[in-house]
Amino acid sequence: DIQMTQSPSSLSASVGDRVTITCRASQGISRALAWFQQKPGKAPKSLIYDASSLQSGVPSKFSGGGSGTEFTLTISSLQPEDFATYYCQQYDNYPYTFGQGTKLEIK
Amino acid sequence: EVQLVESGGGLVQPGGSLRLSCAASGFTFSDYFMDWVRQAPGKGLEWVGRSANKRKSYATEYAASVRGRFTVSRDTSKNSLYLQMNSLKTEDTAIYYCVRGFNSFDSWGQGTLVTVSA
Repeated sequence: DIQMTQSPSSLSASVGDRVTITCRASQGISRALAWFQQKPGKAPKSLIYDASSLQSGVPSKFSGGGSGTEFTLTISSLQPEDFATYYCQQYDNYPYTFGQGTKLEIK
Repeated sequence: EVQLVESGGGLVQPGGSLRLSCAASGFTFSDYFMDWVRQAPGKGLEWVGRSANKRKSYATEYAASVRGRFTVSRDTSKNSLYLQMNSLKTEDTAIYYCVRGFNSFDSWGQGTLVTVSA
């Protein structure tokens, strides 16, 4: 199975900050990488697919990059509604696997 | 608007069975891959299994942790996806989400809670 490792596991930031979360795959996955946002008690929401393509309706403050084994999610100009847990996921090979999550908290 | 509504969760004893349902609307159900993803209390996300689309003959794939115990199926006449869960274990306790497998996982249901406990 492909292991997905996110860093950091938690992150404190202030409103207005720009933050970057990293996701590393244990083997190359081309660009088959997605990012999700989850708020407490809610279902995950898809943000990005194919490493850098925004899902419909997702604001451009979210951006993704990378290929192969290293990927990033960048959120610019943090707003209160952006504080949540973020997950990466690979869909290059079965079984599809998720990172352990990055909890973004208000400083 | 894409809508996915899960049902069928509840409390079941270890070794028991449960069938989850997902009612889909707002898109042509047979055209899309459909998945189940679960989340144990306070934990991360785990992919469970999938049904391919009509063009791929509704082929199924499973995570190793559920293969042989869980079965994904669909009824296209009812626009419904199912997850038959047998030989349930305490570690299967989780919220189960029905997900549309387009552009990775683009749409999620609200989830249904399955608790496996004596």
